[in-house]
Amino acid sequence: QQQVKQSPQSLIVQKGGIPIINCAYENTAFDYFPWYQQFPGKGPALLIAIRPDVSEKKEGRFTISFNKSAKQFSLHIMDSQPGDSATYFCAASMGTSGSRLTFGEGTQLTVNP
Amino acid sequence: KAGVTQTPRYLIKTRGQQVTLSCSPISGHRSVSWYQQTPGQGLQFLFEYFSETQRNKGNFPGRFSGRQFSNSRSEMNVSTLELGDSALYLCASRSGPGGTTQYFGPGTRLTVL
Repeated sequence: QQQVKQSPQSLIVQKGGIPIINCAYENTAFDYFPWYQQFPGKGPALLIAIRPDVSEKKEGRFTISFNKSAKQFSLHIMDSQPGDSATYFCAASMGTSGSRLTFGEGTQLTVNP
Repeated sequence: KAGVTQTPRYLIKTRGQQVTLSCSPISGHRSVSWYQQTPGQGLQFLFEYFSETQRNKGNFPGRFSGRQFSNSRSEMNVSTLELGDSALYLCASRSGPGGTTQYFGPGTRLTVL
C-alpha cells in the first residue's frame, strides 16, 4: 500500500514534444506529491509538487495533473528541450510520516534535437 | 546559500568492513534524511533525523544506523558491508517538520567488493 507505480520506464521524444509521465498510488493517506529531476552524477532536484486539493498545477513548462478519485497523477513537459533529458521520479508522502518520500521507479527521458 | 554537501563522494570498501558517510545540510535546516538509490530497488528511505533524534525509519536492517549532531550535520554508518549495499547514498535536508521541500545532496557512491 506504500508503493507508487510510475510509467513508462523510458521515453524518447523530439524537441518541442510533450512527454507525459504517469504515476499511481494506493495509499489515500498520501497528501503531498512532488516530482524530482535527476541528472547523472547529481542528486534529485525538486521540479514541482502538488497537494490533492487541486487538480492541476503549472510552473513554467512543467504541469502536474492530479486525479484524486483515480489515485493518479502525471507530469507534462511542454515544449521539451534536449536539456530536459534526465531521469524523472514521482514521489508521495503523508504528513504523519514527516519527510519520508515514497518514490516511483523513475522514467528516463531523452529529448532528441 | 550553499547546498547540501556529502563526503566522501566515492568510496570503495570490501565485504565485512564498515563505512561512515557524512552529510552537511543547508544552513538553517534542522532535518536530515537519508536515502539509498540502486538500479534494482530505486530510491528507498533509510531514516530521518531532527534535533539529534531519529524521527522516522525505513525498512532496512540494523546494520544501517545514523546520528545527527547539534549543528545538524548527520552521519550514517553501515556495518558488516554486503555486496548488495553498493549504492548511491543520498542525503536530503529540509527546514524542519513543517517544511515539505527536501533538498538533496549529490550523494556518496559506495562500491562494495
